[in-house]
Amino acid sequence: QVQLQQSGPGLVKPSQTLSLTCAISGDTVSSNSAGWHWIRQSPSRGLEWLGRTYYRSKWYNDYAVSVKSRITINPDTSKNQFSLQLNSVTPEDTAVYYCARSGKYAFNIWGHGTMVTVSS
Amino acid sequence: QSALTQPPSASGSPGQSVTISCTGTSSDVGGYNYVSWYQQHPGKAPKLMIYEVSKRPSGVPDRFSGSKSGNTASLTVSGLQAEDEADYYCSSYAGNNYVFGTGTKVTVL
Repeated sequence: QVQLQQSGPGLVKPSQTLSLTCAISGDTVSSNSAGWHWIRQSPSRGLEWLGRTYYRSKWYNDYAVSVKSRITINPDTSKNQFSLQLNSVTPEDTAVYYCARSGKYAFNIWGHGTMVTVSS
Repeated sequence: QSALTQPPSASGSPGQSVTISCTGTSSDVGGYNYVSWYQQHPGKAPKLMIYEVSKRPSGVPDRFSGSKSGNTASLTVSGLQAEDEADYYCSSYAGNNYVFGTGTKVTVL
């Protein structure tokens, strides 16, 4: 079955870059029917969709307006994974970050979540 | 994109039914038949319960059902069981982005 394994640091300093990776097993990041997303959850903001990457004969990305100037999501076909980079973080970016796969416009597989704290 | 509106809480006794609403706009819930619902237990990742408004993934009990009218979607849990106590979130595709609901805590009395 499809599984997503997240990795990355749990503590990031303000103004620095948050970087997380999501390794895929049981599917391929180049799937023509799936999307690969990053979603975060905090008590103050609830569940918040951040963005996605997906392949439909070529690569596409979509990002939430709230983070569009600071976010990059990249696929890595050689390692069958995708990554999140969020620049210039502030304490407001403290949250549990999830990677997820979508099919039929729903998030059908989720990673286990990574608690990321932004603090000096 | 504003979050979809859900009631903060809902409750019912075992065996009863509970319905949760999810209100958006014509740009999300009302504009697409791509509403999904998620169940989240404390400390766990959300789990997909309903997709495309009313479809259940394999393994989800038929006690869970979904519907939509205009800009409001609903999730009904029939025959409440103790393990249904959790937080529930709706989500909608909104044209190259997605929006989540504010979440509803369901308590089994």
